[in-house]
Amino acid sequence: DIQMTQSPSSLSASVGDRVTITCRASQSISNYLNWYQQKPGEAPKLLIYATSSLQSGVPSRFSGSGSGTDFTLTISSLQPEDFAAYYCQQSYITPHTFGQGTKVEI
Amino acid sequence: QVQLVQSGAEVKKPGSSVKVSCKASGGTFSSYSMTWVRQAPGQGLEWMGRIIPFLGITNYAQNFQGRVSITADKSTTTAYMGLSSLRSEDTAVYYCARGVRDGYNRYYDIWGRGTLVTVSS
Repeated sequence: DIQMTQSPSSLSASVGDRVTITCRASQSISNYLNWYQQKPGEAPKLLIYATSSLQSGVPSRFSGSGSGTDFTLTISSLQPEDFAAYYCQQSYITPHTFGQGTKVEI
Repeated sequence: QVQLVQSGAEVKKPGSSVKVSCKASGGTFSSYSMTWVRQAPGQGLEWMGRIIPFLGITNYAQNFQGRVSITADKSTTTAYMGLSSLRSEDTAVYYCARGVRDGYNRYYDIWGRGTLVTVSS
């Protein structure tokens, strides 16, 4: 199975901060990398697919980049509603494994 | 707007089985895959398996091989996830999610609200 490793596991930030989360795959996954946001008690929500494509309705302050094994999710200016957990997921090969998550806290 | 409506919470004894349903309403069913993901309390997301209804193909994570069964009924646009030989570590929220194919990439754009399965004696 492909292992996905996110860093950091958690971070503290303030409203307006620029936040970057990294995700590393144990082997090359081309650009088959998706990002999800999850708030407590809710289902995950798709933010970005295929590394850098913004899902419809997701604010443009979210962006993604990378290829091969190294990927990043960037929030350009953190908003109060962005405090949540974020997960990367590879879809290069099944099982479509997730990273362990990054919790963004105030 | 497509919605995925999952069945209600379950409490099961160790060694028993559970079957969770996920009904897709408001859109097509067979054109997409349906995936099951679980989340143990306070933990991350774990991919369990998927079904591609129009191909009749299933894939399962090795961790669940032999214990999980994912099926789909196209006539009722409902997917099912069965898990057998339950143990306390299977206590989790189980989500279904619609898989969209975008070129060679797949992503999960619509999720059910989750079904809590509690395994306890």
